[in-house]
Amino acid sequence: AQTVTQSQPEMSVQEAETVTLSCTYDTSESDYYLFWYKQPPSRQMILVIRQEAYKQQNATENRFSVNFQKAAKSFSLKISDSQLGDAAMYFCAYSGNQFYFGTGTSLTVIP
Amino acid sequence: ETGVTQSPTHLIKTRGQQVTLRCSSQSGHNTVSWYQQALGQGPQFIFQYYREEENGRGNFPPRFSGLQFPNYSSELNVNALELDDSALYLCASSPPGGQSNYGYTFGSGTRLTVV
Repeated sequence: AQTVTQSQPEMSVQEAETVTLSCTYDTSESDYYLFWYKQPPSRQMILVIRQEAYKQQNATENRFSVNFQKAAKSFSLKISDSQLGDAAMYFCAYSGNQFYFGTGTSLTVIP
Repeated sequence: ETGVTQSPTHLIKTRGQQVTLRCSSQSGHNTVSWYQQALGQGPQFIFQYYREEENGRGNFPPRFSGLQFPNYSSELNVNALELDDSALYLCASSPPGGQSNYGYTFGSGTRLTVV
């Protein structure tokens, strides 16, 4: 079965600085997608960024980018120029035959 | 376009009772999936519906069941509620082509408390 591991339960970053959230996964599938979701206190999961496993190029969405290392099964999220509104739970997710989430990383942004 | 809406937002039930949670998918989305998110945990996949048929299920007992209607809205039913069923229940929808391509659009969830 596929698993998604987020080893950092909590992270903090100074406003305007850069922070990297880690995620590793385990799978035997060759075709899959990876996602980072943000869950603010409003509870709604918001898609931050997605990565197709067959693409070597790392995905980028404005201040958010990923470092996808397929051989290492690693998928980290980098947030640049952190803003107060970035504070939330961040979940790494894997999509193959099913959708699997990690346990999340709580990000605090310090003014 | 409207997003995914869930009702009710909060619910308190007694152990042994039955509950129905509702979800309206985003316009144009024909696939709906349900997740259980216990406090401090990531969401766990319950099941997925596509064209009114269940086409995927996680590790949940049969007392968790669902429906999808012709307008793609969906219900999650839980029978014989247990205390451990207390959680946030999230509904998500995705367009034709599936979640793998686009990721899901999530609702804000229903907070179920079983006492």
